[in-house]
Amino acid sequence: EVQLVESGGGLVQPGRSLRLSCAASGFTFDDYAMHWVRQAPGKGLEWVSSITWNSGSIGYADSVKGRFTISRDNAKNSLHLQMNSLRAEDTALYYCAKGRDILTGRFDYWGQGTLVTVSS
Amino acid sequence: SYVLTQPPSVSVAPGQTARITCGGNNIGSKSVHWYQQKPGQAPVLVVYDDSDRPSGIPERFSGSNSGNTATLTITRVEAGDEADYYCQVWDSSSDHWVFGGGTKLTVL
Repeated sequence: EVQLVESGGGLVQPGRSLRLSCAASGFTFDDYAMHWVRQAPGKGLEWVSSITWNSGSIGYADSVKGRFTISRDNAKNSLHLQMNSLRAEDTALYYCAKGRDILTGRFDYWGQGTLVTVSS
Repeated sequence: SYVLTQPPSVSVAPGQTARITCGGNNIGSKSVHWYQQKPGQAPVLVVYDDSDRPSGIPERFSGSNSGNTATLTITRVEAGDEADYYCQVWDSSSDHWVFGGGTKLTVL
């Protein structure tokens, strides 16, 4: 059974940093691309970042480019999102999602999310 | 940047057919994925690559895609289908994933 468990969310002041993690199990982690998607309270889904199986290709939404960094540790079956210079508009539930063998494939499993609140 | 347009809401009586549209410039040339999100839950993939269904998704869920509109069709709608539905495509011109704004399906 595929499981994705996000962690690392919390309350943080504007301008500070936070590092999210996603622990994956139930599939061969290093065969698949992985993604981060966020959802602001009461709003829709917004793609944040993606990474291929070997970290050879990485993408970011314009809203986070230059501030967020995605990474993965295939030895530990984990995905990370380093978020710097956080803004109020980054407040959201952050989901980790499993992709397919290529970056452009569908998101076939999602975690339950970790909540990030940016506020002074 | 590429934009996907969905109606904010669709209402349908139980047992009827719901159609949720997703508009985009020449979307017929792209692969469209659809996600269902019930309140307080994570999204679930219900249709991928325009019209394929993941295992465990009822045959009542189907998709089509042509021209400037993709459509998610739910036949014999049940109360349990009430949820938000999002379409998604990969925009190769920007190398970005794009989601539609979402459609709230209400079962009357």
